[in-house]
Amino acid sequence: GIQVEQSPPDLILQEGANSTLRCNFSDSVNNLQWFHQNPWGQLINLFYIPSGTKQNGRLSATTVATERYSLLYISSSQTTDSGVYFCAVRVKSGYALNFGKGTSLLVTP
Amino acid sequence: GAVVSQHPSRVICKSGTSVKIECRSLDFQATTMFWYRQFPKQSLMLMATSNEGSKATYEQGVEKDKFLINHASLTLSTLTVTSAHPEDSSFYICSAPPTNYGYTFGSGTRLTVV
Repeated sequence: GIQVEQSPPDLILQEGANSTLRCNFSDSVNNLQWFHQNPWGQLINLFYIPSGTKQNGRLSATTVATERYSLLYISSSQTTDSGVYFCAVRVKSGYALNFGKGTSLLVTP
Repeated sequence: GAVVSQHPSRVICKSGTSVKIECRSLDFQATTMFWYRQFPKQSLMLMATSNEGSKATYEQGVEKDKFLINHASLTLSTLTVTSAHPEDSSFYICSAPPTNYGYTFGSGTRLTVV
């Protein structure tokens, strides 16, 4: 299946700082998602972004499909941004998702 | 729209007993539900796909007899962990296929087998 690699694995930021999370994938995809998993385990859709750039408040994402990577930008981070950020791509045979290992983010006051 | 309700959120059971986890699509019909397992500080791994009206599809390495999946109706999918052992302790989470609102996940079930 498609390999999904995320970096960095861990990140600690002070409140107000900006960060960039990266997702590399091993094959062409037509569906790439970013999720945030909060400390209680709930997964929240952030972006559906197979290509191009999208923005939602302090978060934005860019996918360069031809170069097989996607970036998630977090600006002016807040403590509520803490959690694990996953990149996922749809498996070729259906609608299930193949997740990367995630980036664990801790934002300190 | 597109809410998936998962219960229980947390369960502790004795080794050798069985535990049933339910996922309900509250405001839409789901002919398919995906079940994932997540060990501490690890990623989500697809275990199986339930299909309404037919047998579930299991990923390689997942024991069909241990993890019984049933898709009883267009709004209910269940995962039963049979004869649970400590190594089955994990976070189990379900997801419906994408709708106009994207992918929707249940809130997850943290299973601890003692």
